[in-house]
Amino acid sequence: AQSVTQLDSQVPVFEEAPVELRCNYSSSVSVYLFWYVQYPNQGLQLLLKYLSGSTLVESINGFEAEFNKSQTSFHLRKPSVHISDTAEYFCAVSRTTSGTYKYIFGTGTRLKVLA
Amino acid sequence: DADVTQTPRNRITKTGKRIMLECSQTKGHDRMYWYRQDPGLGLRLIYYSFDVKDINKGEISDGYSVSRQAQAKFSLSLESAIPNQTALYFCATSDHDRVKLFFGEGSRLTVL
Repeated sequence: AQSVTQLDSQVPVFEEAPVELRCNYSSSVSVYLFWYVQYPNQGLQLLLKYLSGSTLVESINGFEAEFNKSQTSFHLRKPSVHISDTAEYFCAVSRTTSGTYKYIFGTGTRLKVLA
Repeated sequence: DADVTQTPRNRITKTGKRIMLECSQTKGHDRMYWYRQDPGLGLRLIYYSFDVKDINKGEISDGYSVSRQAQAKFSLSLESAIPNQTALYFCATSDHDRVKLFFGEGSRLTVL
């Protein structure tokens, strides 16, 4: 069965430091890849997505993720984090099965930015 | 106003009670989903609906039922709530290209 693995459940990092949130997936077929962010007491919001084309995708708030097909990874990075980036981040994959798209979510990584 | 609205936002109930969580959307999407979020387990799909006449079970549908009353409304019911159904429940929608999910703000359910 397809799975998404987020290797770190919690990542503490100091403000203005770089961060990488890791995501690996298992799939032998083409997938779409996503990062969603959940701020406290809110629903999930799409942060960025990879559908096709350039393997490096960026969000409007400075995050980027790189699709690595050989390593089946889609790690999320930011060169300098802010307090406001404190949230839970979910990696997800979507693939079609018999014409129906299915989303599989990882277990989430809680990013805590420290002053 | 939110595009995907869930009610109630918080609910405490007792074992054996019937509970309904409601979701309405103004995005005009055909596809609607109910997910459950538990700490350390991420989001798991309970039910999904691709149109008013199409209802499908997700990976954890036991103990739950749904109703798609209209394109904009999708309700989740717990016929007889039990404590391990204590969780944060999310409704989501997607449009025809199925690429992006739009989430409500969640309904936190506690079953005592």
